[in-house]
Amino acid sequence: DTGVSQDPRHKITKRGQNVTFRCDPISEHNRLYWYRQTLGQGPEFLTYFQNEAQLEKSRLLSDRFSAERPKGSFSTLEIQRTEQGDSAMYLCASSMTGGRGGGSPLHFGNGTRLTVT
Amino acid sequence: RKEVEQDPGPFNVPEGATVAFNCTYSNSASQSFFWYRQDCRKEPKLLMSVYSSGNEDGRFTAQLNRASQYISLLIRDSKLSDSATYLCVVNNLAPSTGFQKLVFGTGTRLLVSP
Repeated sequence: DTGVSQDPRHKITKRGQNVTFRCDPISEHNRLYWYRQTLGQGPEFLTYFQNEAQLEKSRLLSDRFSAERPKGSFSTLEIQRTEQGDSAMYLCASSMTGGRGGGSPLHFGNGTRLTVT
Repeated sequence: RKEVEQDPGPFNVPEGATVAFNCTYSNSASQSFFWYRQDCRKEPKLLMSVYSSGNEDGRFTAQLNRASQYISLLIRDSKLSDSATYLCVVNNLAPSTGFQKLVFGTGTRLLVSP
């Protein structure tokens, strides 16, 4: 399977603990995105990498959140001192440069479902 | 006002029916548009891109009206397997960085019954 893969699929943690998620994008894709989705809502943008450079961050990404993409391949998203409001599905997506009209569709991984108790 | 607005539904239709979803967006500078499908507790998957000239893929037809900032998705001959949430997605591209700010609607839920 050459799609976007995320690990773990599910994570249950206690409030105050740190968690880290991993995303492996499609190998030829140089763009990588992190999104968060809560029940009944569409995905909300968190951050964007082009190769190893983190070029955009949403205001949703508080200082407890940090993302990295060393070497421009896989990416990690860490949440420190988790809060119950962090409970959500965390989705990673990747895309190629270009595309018709300047937009290349995003291919999503199957997500990491975080539950903070 | 939300950047992308959709009727959340649910739309309940019998098999074989034709159903249409609409979506409006607020940013007139948006460059590209997509429909994604999301099954319960799964990731969104690209259904189709939406082009200015309109485009069709089998039973699915997407249309874009830039003047009215309006996107539609038509599903003909609905199947039970079409039951899902359909997300309208608007793309605002920053050419200098290649950053695509994809803004998702909340989705429209479709339930197709026998």
